[in-house]
Amino acid sequence: DIQMTQFPSSLSASVGDSVTITCRASQAVGTYLNWYQQRPGRAPNLLIYYAFNLHSGVPSRFSGSGSGTDFTLTISSLQPEDFATYYCQQSNSRPPTFGQGTRVEVK
Amino acid sequence: EVQLVESGGGLVQPGGSLRLSCEASGFTFSSHWMNWVRQSPEKGLERVATIRQDGGEKSCIDSVQGRFSISRDNAKNSLYLQMNSLRVEDTAVYYCVRVSDNWAFDYWGQGALVTVSS
Repeated sequence: DIQMTQFPSSLSASVGDSVTITCRASQAVGTYLNWYQQRPGRAPNLLIYYAFNLHSGVPSRFSGSGSGTDFTLTISSLQPEDFATYYCQQSNSRPPTFGQGTRVEVK
Repeated sequence: EVQLVESGGGLVQPGGSLRLSCEASGFTFSSHWMNWVRQSPEKGLERVATIRQDGGEKSCIDSVQGRFSISRDNAKNSLYLQMNSLRVEDTAVYYCVRVSDNWAFDYWGQGALVTVSS
């Protein structure tokens, strides 16, 4: 199975800050990399698919980049509703696998 | 509006069985692969099982092989997960998840809590 590693595991930021989360795959996944946001007590929501495509309804302050083994999720101007946990997931090989998550907390 | 509503979770003793159901609406259910994904503090997010649109292809993770079975009824817009020989480590929130044309998990249900404990 492909292992997905995210870093940092948590970060503290303020409203308006720009934050970047990194995801690394144990082997190349092309651009079959997706990002999800999970708020406390809720199901995950798809943010980005194919490394850089925004899912319907996702604000443009979210962006993704990367290919192969290294990927990033950037939130350009953090809003109050963005304090949540973010997960990457590869869909290149079966089984699809997730990173362990990055928690974005209020500073 | 796409909706996925799970039911059937609960408390069960080790070795017991449960059947999760997921009722889909707001899209053409028979056109999509579907998943069950679980989440626990110990293992994080884990795709448990996947089924093709017509039910003809299925796969699941090694740890549930031979114990869990995924199925679907396209006439009822429903997805199922039959869980037998449950173990303590199967304790998790189980999500019904739609697979997009781009192989992302684009819509999730609210989740069903399964607790395996004596």
